[in-house]
Amino acid sequence: KAGVTQTPRYLIKTRGQQVTLSCSPISGHRSVSWYQQTPGQGLQFLFEYFSETQRNKGNFPGRFSGRQFSNSRSEMNVSTLELGDSALYLCASSLGGPLAYEQYFGPGTRLTVT
Amino acid sequence: GENVEQHPSTLSVQEGDSAVIKCTYSDSASNYFPWYKQELGKRPQLIIDIRSNVGEKKDQRIAVTLNKTAKHFSLHITETQPEDSAVYFCAASKSSSASKIIFGSGTRLSIRP
Repeated sequence: KAGVTQTPRYLIKTRGQQVTLSCSPISGHRSVSWYQQTPGQGLQFLFEYFSETQRNKGNFPGRFSGRQFSNSRSEMNVSTLELGDSALYLCASSLGGPLAYEQYFGPGTRLTVT
Repeated sequence: GENVEQHPSTLSVQEGDSAVIKCTYSDSASNYFPWYKQELGKRPQLIIDIRSNVGEKKDQRIAVTLNKTAKHFSLHITETQPEDSAVYFCAASKSSSASKIIFGSGTRLSIRP
């Protein structure tokens, strides 16, 4: 099976702009979670989508949003970018059912905000 | 709130020796504890996990132990090799929000030749 893929791999944006990141899960996986990784804050949970619905949410401001399509692909959007949004954004997919905990990560999108 | 603490933040061991990384969690409802290895510039990879109904799990040179009473869990790597050098993350989640994984801050493990 192909692994989790993310596009684009690198992005440079200017403060105030918005950005959309994409994640394609492993075939058959219905859950997609998003994480932000920074040197200072480590790996932090943003949100999770399952069957096109947000099922879990972390403690990030409303500028961070997401959605999931019927084929389980997910997008994450960040509006009004701030310098502090510079990070590696990772998505992870899992089967999503009860007790199906194992998550598999994509390679990440490196976002730089200038 | 939910929190996972991880120690040490850096660890250097001689090749062939053992390495131990320790974590504590705050949410007593947590029942799934994965460990991820992240090599430089690469994605985190699941190396081993343990569920709360098990006290210990082993996979070749890697083992994880869980003490539910103390809310502690640990990763043990024996006979360390250069390819074990990486950042290791412990994590916890619970069945009511299984896909919301709370990560520890990471341990940078270096293997000295």
